[in-house]
Amino acid sequence: EPEVTQTPSHQVTQMGQEVILRCVPISNHLYFYWYRQILGQKVEFLVSFYNNEISEKSEIFDDQFSVERPDGSNFTLKIRSTKLEDSAMYFCASSAMGSNQPQHFGDGTRLSIL
Amino acid sequence: GESVGLHLPTLSVQEGDNSIINCAYSNSASDYFIWYKQESGKGPQFIIDIRSNMDKRQGQRVTVLLNKTVKHLSLQIAATQPGDSAVYFCAETASDYKLSFGAGTTVTVRA
Repeated sequence: EPEVTQTPSHQVTQMGQEVILRCVPISNHLYFYWYRQILGQKVEFLVSFYNNEISEKSEIFDDQFSVERPDGSNFTLKIRSTKLEDSAMYFCASSAMGSNQPQHFGDGTRLSIL
Repeated sequence: GESVGLHLPTLSVQEGDNSIINCAYSNSASDYFIWYKQESGKGPQFIIDIRSNMDKRQGQRVTVLLNKTVKHLSLQIAATQPGDSAVYFCAETASDYKLSFGAGTTVTVRA
């Protein structure tokens, strides 16, 4: 069964450094998403991406965050200058269409900011 | 037996019994709902979905019920197995793009 894959599984970064989280969505999907989950809390929406542009973003997704689809398979989340509070699990998801279609999630990248 | 009630953060179920996990949502404009299962160290795994024009949908061993009048969603798991132990999240959307997740219920299956 096709799946969303994320790398790395764990990223440790010094505060203030840039980090890039990588995702390979399911190949025939058109919509891509990033979510985060702080330890013990619920999953929170960050951003959605379709047709090479952001469709919707939350207030968490400030100007320190950016997303990119650099080629036909990868979808990346960049945090320019990491803060301690950015420590969380980051999940990538994709869906075939946007409306009324399930989003399928990867297993996440655990980001630890020191 | 079954465990039914308001949203509870934890649910302990005897193996072989039926489970019912409840979820209340707040946005009356939500029109699509999904149940996800999350095991330790994994991402949310799709279980079943339902659109707002339906009030019940069945899958393999799972049933989702939607009551739009009181904005309530439930997931029923028949003959609960040890592999069903996980955190279960309901999620809703009123747009094409953004899922809003509930707080989650941790299900523990007793042998």
